[in-house]
Amino acid sequence: AQTVTQSQPEMSVQEAETVTLSCTYDTSENNYYLFWYKQPPSRQMILVIRQEAYKQQNATENRFSVNFQKAAKSFSLKISDSQLGDTAMYFCAFMKRNTGNQFYFGTGTSLTVIP
Amino acid sequence: DSGVTQTPKHLITATGQRVTLRCSPRSGDLSVYWYQQSLDQGLQFLIQYYNGEERAKGNILERFSAQQFPDLHSELNLSSLELGDSALYFCASSVEFGGGSPLHFGNGTRLTVT
Repeated sequence: AQTVTQSQPEMSVQEAETVTLSCTYDTSENNYYLFWYKQPPSRQMILVIRQEAYKQQNATENRFSVNFQKAAKSFSLKISDSQLGDTAMYFCAFMKRNTGNQFYFGTGTSLTVIP
Repeated sequence: DSGVTQTPKHLITATGQRVTLRCSPRSGDLSVYWYQQSLDQGLQFLIQYYNGEERAKGNILERFSAQQFPDLHSELNLSSLELGDSALYFCASSVEFGGGSPLHFGNGTRLTVT
C-alpha cells in the first residue's frame, strides 16, 4: 500500500513570509501523480497544485510551488508571500497511474498565517 | 465552485436512524469518490465508482452502502447510525479512469448523530 506522511502537524508563518510544508511518500511505482489540497476553515477542499512524477520540472501556481525530489520520495509545498487567506489545513496526496485513480492522503498540516 | 454538488449541507439525526447523502459530479466526470472526515481528522476513503460500477473500497463499514446511477449521480446510504458516524462526508469527482486527473470536491455534508 502507498503511504503519505506529513510530519508537521502544525506550522505558523508571518504574513508576507515564505513557508515550506513537507510531504514524503512511500511507493514502488514509477508513474504517479502528486497533489496538494488546501482546506480552509470553511472545510472546503481546494486543489492547490499538481505534479506529474515523470516531469522533472517542479510545478508552480502563482505563489505556490513544489520541490519534487523523486529519488527521495519527497514533495514539499512552498508558499511565498504568505497571506492571511492561506491559513488552512494542507493535505498532500498521492495517486498511482492506471489504477482507477486511487488517491492516498496524508494526515495534513495545519498552517496559520500570523498578521 | 468545484462543480460538484452535495446535498444536504447539514443533517442532524438520531442514533439508529438511516440517512442518504447525495452527490452530483462535475459535468463530464465519470468517477465519484466518497470520503469521511471526522473532527480534526484526515480524509478516510470510503468507496469509488466509475461510470456506474464500483471500482475501489476503502474503510467503509458494512452499515454503509453506496451506488452510482446511470445519470452518474451517487448516493451514500448510512444506516443504524452511531454517535461515531458524526463527521463531514465529502463527495469528489474526476474525469477519467487511470489518468492523472485531480479530485474535485463538493462542499461536504455535515452529519450530526445525536
